[in-house]
Amino acid sequence: NAGVTQTPKFQVLKTGQSMTLQCAQDMNHEYMSWYRQDPGMGLRLIHYSVGAGITDQGEVPNGYNVSRSTTEDFPLRLLSAAPSQTSVYFCASKRWAGGTDTQYFGPGTRLTVL
Amino acid sequence: AQSVTQPDIHITVSEGASLELRCNYSYGATPYLFWYVQSPGQGLQLLLKYFSGDTLVQGIKGFEAEFKRSQSSFNLRKPSVHWSDAAEYFCAVGAKGSQGNLIFGKGTKLSVKP
Repeated sequence: NAGVTQTPKFQVLKTGQSMTLQCAQDMNHEYMSWYRQDPGMGLRLIHYSVGAGITDQGEVPNGYNVSRSTTEDFPLRLLSAAPSQTSVYFCASKRWAGGTDTQYFGPGTRLTVL
Repeated sequence: AQSVTQPDIHITVSEGASLELRCNYSYGATPYLFWYVQSPGQGLQLLLKYFSGDTLVQGIKGFEAEFKRSQSSFNLRKPSVHWSDAAEYFCAVGAKGSQGNLIFGKGTKLSVKP
């Protein structure tokens, strides 16, 4: 199993550009999530999904969209990038929602918005 | 409001010395508690977790943590630190029925002196 994979590893955008951060897992996990990590702030939840076709907002959803058309994939879209979205983004998954399973994290995408 | 506090931003210990990283939580429901470790440039790896039962839990890499409900704490300990333990450590809290969403502390960076 590859686990949780994220692409790209690094990305530089200009203000106003759009892009999609990719996340995939091959463990047949129901639950997937996106976090952003900023220095001194820990990880903050952006969006999450408890199954294909079901998504919901986390703590910091503004400026981001998600969809979950398959169990395996959970892309994060930045519609109009802003410098405040410069961060490291982590995708995570676990077997099912509401449980106490371990969340497995991807390696992260480092995004810089100029 | 739900929150996790890691009072120490940065800790330096000598190799071979003991380690304790502090974590305090505020959560209305029965908490599920986690410690994750993040090596530089990497994703997060689960060290250990507590759901119920024995309040002293053992994890990987020789780490342990003790849940103290009366103090709302879940401190991480290791009797003898190795240079490879240098990393950032995150405490997180979740709850039954929370859709599996975690609230993370801001992290404690551990440096190890030779």
